[in-house]
Amino acid sequence: GAVVSQHPSRVICKSGTSVKIECRSLDFQATTMFWYRQFPKQSLMLMATSNEGSKATYEQGVEKDKFLINHASLTLSTLTVTSAHPEDSSFYICSARDMETGDNSPLHFGNGTRLTVT
Amino acid sequence: GQNIDQPTEMTATEGAIVQINCTYQTSGFNGLFWYQQHAGEAPTFLSYNVLDGLEEKGRFSSFLSRSKGYSYLLLKELQMKDSASYLCAVMDSNYQLIWGAGTKLIIKP
Repeated sequence: GAVVSQHPSRVICKSGTSVKIECRSLDFQATTMFWYRQFPKQSLMLMATSNEGSKATYEQGVEKDKFLINHASLTLSTLTVTSAHPEDSSFYICSARDMETGDNSPLHFGNGTRLTVT
Repeated sequence: GQNIDQPTEMTATEGAIVQINCTYQTSGFNGLFWYQQHAGEAPTFLSYNVLDGLEEKGRFSSFLSRSKGYSYLLLKELQMKDSASYLCAVMDSNYQLIWGAGTKLIIKP
């Protein structure tokens, strides 16, 4: 089955530093990847849609200069949390859809990255 | 606006059957997904319904009624490992996924 690999799984950083999270589709290609954030006991919140070869589309209220997204290839998207602050501490999850299987095929999720900013 | 409703929490007994309901109001419809999410982990895909009726997959079944904007996930022969949150998500006319808040299922021995 389709596998999405996300690294790191857990990161602790100091306030003011930047953190990069990688999301790779291992056995399929994805023109579009999705970045979600999930706070404890809450549902997934879509942050942005990452598009291969073009700019990401950000959801309302998500700062594009703070959450930098790069989708350099059909198998890799990165999310960089710049100048992280404690309120950015959350569970970040990427997902992707196999471009061969159509727009209504299920999303495959990475294992998530738990970010703690001290 | 677009809206997905599902119960916040449900409790069931090991070995029993539980039905988790989901109602939705969205701009268009391109299918409904159910995902399972264990605490601290990412969601995993369970089922997809785009036509009315019941889809059965082992101990799990999912039902859809498009006219009623309604779906349910049925879990049979409950096991302790089924304790998790179950997320209902609807794909709208733009192929965007609209997520419910999830139902936390607690299984008791």
